Amino acid sequence: EVQLLESGGGLVQPGGSLRLSCAASGFTFSSYAMSWVRQAPGKGLEWVSAISGSTGSTYYADSVKGRFTISRDNSKNTLYLQMNSLRAEDTAVYYCVKDGAGDGLAHFDYWGQGTLVTVSS
Amino acid sequence: LPVLTQPPSASALLGASIKLTCTLSSEHSTYTIEWYQQRPGRSPQYIMKVKSDGSHSKGDGIPDRFMGSSSGADRYLTFSNLQSDDEAEYHCGESHTIDGQVGYVFGTGTKVTVL
Repeated sequence: EVQLLESGGGLVQPGGSLRLSCAASGFTFSSYAMSWVRQAPGKGLEWVSAISGSTGSTYYADSVKGRFTISRDNSKNTLYLQMNSLRAEDTAVYYCVKDGAGDGLAHFDYWGQGTLVTVSS
Repeated sequence: LPVLTQPPSASALLGASIKLTCTLSSEHSTYTIEWYQQRPGRSPQYIMKVKSDGSHSKGDGIPDRFMGSSSGADRYLTFSNLQSDDEAEYHCGESHTIDGQVGYVFGTGTKVTVL
């Protein structure tokens, strides 16, 4: 059974930093691209970033480019999102998602339960 | 970037059928899209992929009463025998590579109410 368990969310002041983690199990982690998708309160879904399984190539939405860094540790089956220079508009539930097609960005077949990040003074 | 347009809401009677629409921007009208269901307070769940030729492939455990189809730039999700459990937000999304940049875009979502 595929499981994705996010952690690391919380309350942070504007300009601050936070690191999210996602522990994956139930599939060959290194064979799949992984992404972070967020959802602001009462709003729709927004793709944030993706990382390939084998090459480690990374991709970012324009809204977070230069502030967020996605990474992964295939030996620990864990995905990370380092978030710096946080803004109020980054407030959202952040979901860890697995790609459904393999090592590219195709679609998201499994989602974690999400972790809430609140940016406020 | 591709733009996906969804009506904000839709409703139908219990036991009836409902057809949701996701419209691609014209220059991206041949793209494949995916449908996701998000029940209140829950994480999204993958439903299916719909191609421009109308073919579709479902995710694990998705019942037969969910079907996908296409017409031009429109991609549809139809589900029959509507149940109270189908009351949810339905999102469409698509992946793309433009000028070497990989990305994914979601529509604004359609809230389905079962009457």
